[in-house]
Parts: sequence; structure tokens; C-alpha cells
Amino acid sequence: SYELTQPPSVSVSPGQTASITCSGDKLGNKYACWYQQKPGQSPVLVIYEDNKRPSGIPERFSGSNSGNTATLTISGTQAMDEADYYCQAWDSSTAVFGGGTKLTVL
Amino acid sequence: QVQLQESGPGLVKPSETLSLSCTVSGGSINSYYWSWIRQPPGKGLEWIGCIYYSGSTNYNPSLKSRVTISVDTSKNQFSLKLNSATAADTAVYYCARGQFAGSYFSPFDYWGLGTLVTVSS
Repeated sequence: SYELTQPPSVSVSPGQTASITCSGDKLGNKYACWYQQKPGQSPVLVIYEDNKRPSGIPERFSGSNSGNTATLTISGTQAMDEADYYCQAWDSSTAVFGGGTKLTVL
Repeated sequence: QVQLQESGPGLVKPSETLSLSCTVSGGSINSYYWSWIRQPPGKGLEWIGCIYYSGSTNYNPSLKSRVTISVDTSKNQFSLKLNSATAADTAVYYCARGQFAGSYFSPFDYWGLGTLVTVSS
């Protein structure tokens, strides 16, 4: 079965740029999307189709996808961005999620 | 604004059937794909399966033998049944909508608040 691999944790200082990677076989040939999940809340879609932002998502969130790796980038990271982030792609009609990355802003 | 609300028992006995419903408000269930996604406590997200408003379904191969998803368009509602529940099925269960009407391979743009289902005797 298809797998998406994320680092368990990423740390960033306020105002700096955070990058979270998601790796999967030929992931660049698929659309990747990203969800933000804060404790006790439902996931929120922050990036879809590799690099598009839904309405209401700040411009500091951006995405890219090439080769075997998709990347979520948060520029000018704020304390409110501290959360778990999950990548997701479709493979053989199955939605596959990465294991999640805990972003710590310190 | 589309809203989704899960409902169902919070406690299920081992070997019994886990049953949940998701009611969609603020929009029609028609023309979209609707999914169930779960999250064991402290762990990541797992897609269970989805249904089109017309009734066609697709399931995660890892759960396919135990899962049934159905839809009731007259109630703007879809449902999940998971047979032979075990402790490993203890999770927060979310319902979610596929973002693009008629498109199977959509990301999930609207999510319910989630409901915790515990499988225990």
C-alpha cells in the first residue's frame, strides 16, 4: 500500500520559515494537500493541489510538490501556527495521509 | 456555510457494530463525495471510505471487509457501519466533504467536529 512519510516534529522560531516535508513514491505525479490540526479541533485544509490556498488561509502558507517530496512552507511563522500538520494524497482510489508533523514554535 | 455533524453511540462493545451518522446542513448532499475519516487517540488520520450522493462507494482496502457506508439524500445524511469492532477501532470519527463537486480525488474541505467512539466491554 502507498505510504506518505513526514518527520514527527519540526521546530521553528517566531518570524522564521518552517518547512515540513512529505515523502512518497512519485508523489510529484499526484496532487498533495495539507491539513492543520490544533489540539481538540478538526483538521483544516490549508493547501490543496500542491500549492493552492483555500479562502481564508493566510498567504504565509505555501506548498510545492516535485519528485518524491511535497513541502509545506510557513513564512513568518506565528505562535498560532503551532499545530499538527498532515499531508494527504490519493493513490489507487484510496486517500492516504502522512503520519503527521508536530510544529513547535519556540 | 456547510456544516457536518456526527452522531451515534460513544461506547460500543467488542464484536458489535459501530454505527454513526453524519448530517449535512447549510448545503445539499447532492453532487459531492462524502467521506469518513478516523483518528485513534494521540495518532494520525486514517481514511475509512467515501460515498457519492448517488450511492456509489469506495473503501480503504484495510477496512473494506468490515465497512458499509450509505446515504439518505432525503435527510441530507450519510452513515457508517463498522462490523466486528475491536479496541483498535477506538478513535475520533470524522465525516468530511470532498471539495469539488463530482470529483472523486478531492481534498476534504469541510469536516465535522468529530465524535469519540470507544470500543470496550
